[in-house]
Amino acid sequence: AQKVTQAQTEISVVEKEDVTLDCVYETRDTTYYLFWYKQPPSGELVFLIRRNSFDEQNEISGRYSWNFQKSTSSFNFTITASQVVDSAVYFCALSDSGGGADGLTFGKGTHLIIQP
Amino acid sequence: DADVTQTPRNRITKTGKRIMLECSQTKGHDRMYWYRQDPGLGLRLIYYSFDVKDINKGEISDGYSVSRQAQAKFSLSLESAIPNQTALYFCATSDLGVNTGELFFGEGSRLTVL
Repeated sequence: AQKVTQAQTEISVVEKEDVTLDCVYETRDTTYYLFWYKQPPSGELVFLIRRNSFDEQNEISGRYSWNFQKSTSSFNFTITASQVVDSAVYFCALSDSGGGADGLTFGKGTHLIIQP
Repeated sequence: DADVTQTPRNRITKTGKRIMLECSQTKGHDRMYWYRQDPGLGLRLIYYSFDVKDINKGEISDGYSVSRQAQAKFSLSLESAIPNQTALYFCATSDLGVNTGELFFGEGSRLTVL
């Protein structure tokens, strides 16, 4: 069975600090996809990134970066120079080798609070 | 307009009432899903469908039923609502052709059962 663990329930930092959100996953599949979604206070779910299990290159998009390490089954998300608008709940998710046909497995989310 | 539309966006009802949440999509995706979100529990899958003749139970299907009326429409019903079904419900779609599992979500339906 698949599992996604986001051990950090809530993180609070002051604006402009860097912050890393941890995601550890479990799967028996060799082919899978990992995702991060953002849920701002307004409630909608916003797609941030998709990563293929065969692509371990880190990715940077503006202030956001993702570190994928298969050796530790982790897919961590770092926000550099955080801003108040980054305040949200962030979900890590995992699909299976069937292309996620049976849906994604989500972690419980990390509530990120950026204080001005 | 949103590609995945949920109605109603907010609903308050009483215990024992029948409730239907509706979802329609213009993305042309075959796969549709209903998830439930509770604080601290993440998103949990209720039901999913690959086409109008293919309905599958998810992790927490008890107390819910669904109907896939057409490729673009997927409804979730609570036959007799109870207070612990108070939650935020999301409909989602995914593209069989791309086959990565990426979900495209509706804006959510907040249900309160008194």
